[in-house]
Amino acid sequence: ELKVEQNPLFLSMQEGKNYTIYCNYSTTSDRLYWYRQDPGKSLESLFVLLSNGAVKQEGRLMASLDTKARLSTLHITAAVHDLSATYFCAPATSGSRLTFGEGTQLTVNP
Amino acid sequence: NAGVTQTPKFQVLKTGQSMTLQCAQDMNHNSMYWYRQDPGMGLRLIYYSASEGTTDKGEVPNGYNVSRLNKREFSLRLESAAPSQTSVYFCASQRGSGANVLTFGAGSRLTVL
Repeated sequence: ELKVEQNPLFLSMQEGKNYTIYCNYSTTSDRLYWYRQDPGKSLESLFVLLSNGAVKQEGRLMASLDTKARLSTLHITAAVHDLSATYFCAPATSGSRLTFGEGTQLTVNP
Repeated sequence: NAGVTQTPKFQVLKTGQSMTLQCAQDMNHNSMYWYRQDPGMGLRLIYYSASEGTTDKGEVPNGYNVSRLNKREFSLRLESAAPSQTSVYFCASQRGSGANVLTFGAGSRLTVL
């Protein structure tokens, strides 16, 4: 059974600062997804990482995947308030079944 | 485009009552999924359908049944609701398997008293 651990689970940071969210998973997976969820809303796809060493960037967010270490990171550069949300990582197992982490609740303070 | 549409958005049930959550997608996607989201637990897969006519259990299927009525629609039924089924339910669809992203509906908040 695939286990997914995200840390930290709660992150409060100031605008302009950098930080990284970590996603560790327990068994082999060749694809990993990152989603964003605003309070009371649905999930929005951010990134799909398809191979070892994959790196994707969109605005102030950059995601990477190390399949050998079973680790993905989501790096936030110069945070702004609009990035406040909960971020989920989800490695894919058999077929397209995703296993979601608990989520990292990010609050960016002015 | 509507994407993935879930109904109802909110529902309150009494223990033992039954209900069906409806999900429809207009993107011609093959695969559809039902997840539940509980505080501090991320999303957990209840059932999924890789294609029309097939359904499979996910991580937490007990107490639920599903029907893939056609390619567009995938319903989730609670035959005898229990307070432990109080949750937010999300339906999602995906074009095929592989690297395609899952597109989620807006969610259905269910409370069982």
